[in-house]
Amino acid sequence: GQSLEQPSEVTAVEGAIVQINCTYQTSGFYGLSWYQQHDGGAPTFLSYNALDGLEETGRFSSFLSRSDSYGYLLLQELQMKDSASYFCAVGGGNKLTFGTGTQLKVEL
Amino acid sequence: NAGVTQTPKFRVLKTGQSMTLLCAQDMNHEYMYWYRQDPGMGLRLIHYSVGEGTTAKGEVPDGYNVSRLKKQNFLLGLESAAPSQTSVYFCASSYSRTGASGSNQPQHFGDGTRLSIL
Repeated sequence: GQSLEQPSEVTAVEGAIVQINCTYQTSGFYGLSWYQQHDGGAPTFLSYNALDGLEETGRFSSFLSRSDSYGYLLLQELQMKDSASYFCAVGGGNKLTFGTGTQLKVEL
Repeated sequence: NAGVTQTPKFRVLKTGQSMTLLCAQDMNHEYMYWYRQDPGMGLRLIHYSVGEGTTAKGEVPDGYNVSRLKKQNFLLGLESAAPSQTSVYFCASSYSRTGASGSNQPQHFGDGTRLSIL
């Protein structure tokens, strides 16, 4: 089976940097993905790591360490619109298993 | 570009009633998925399909059935609705297996169906 752990809530101020961690246990691993979901909206894809290291996409970066079964999402220059839930997900076989999500609150 | 479209968007049922949720995608994706999302539980996979005519069970399949008669459509059925099935249901699709050969095949989600069962 597969299981993921991430913090339930993180609060940060506008303009700051925040890191959302994700640890996983999996019997088969095909990469770590991150999805964003605003209240009442649909999840949308943010980033994907298949190999160890850092992937950067604009203000967002994602990191993976397969030996530690650990990854994180880094959000820089936080904006109010970044207030949302963020889900890590591991791929295995034909499907994704999602974590329970981290609610990010960005304050002025 | 419609992407993934779910109908209906909202529905209220009485215990024991049946209904079908429809998911349609116009991206020619092979893989389709049905999830339910409950507070504090994240997204849990109900059933999925790897191509037309195929279906497979996910993490929480009990009480649900699915069909994939056409590549672009994936139907989720509740034969006898129960209050425990009150949830937000999301459909998603992807071009191929997520993470196949180390490549990224992100899932594209519909806007969800909010289902309440009284």
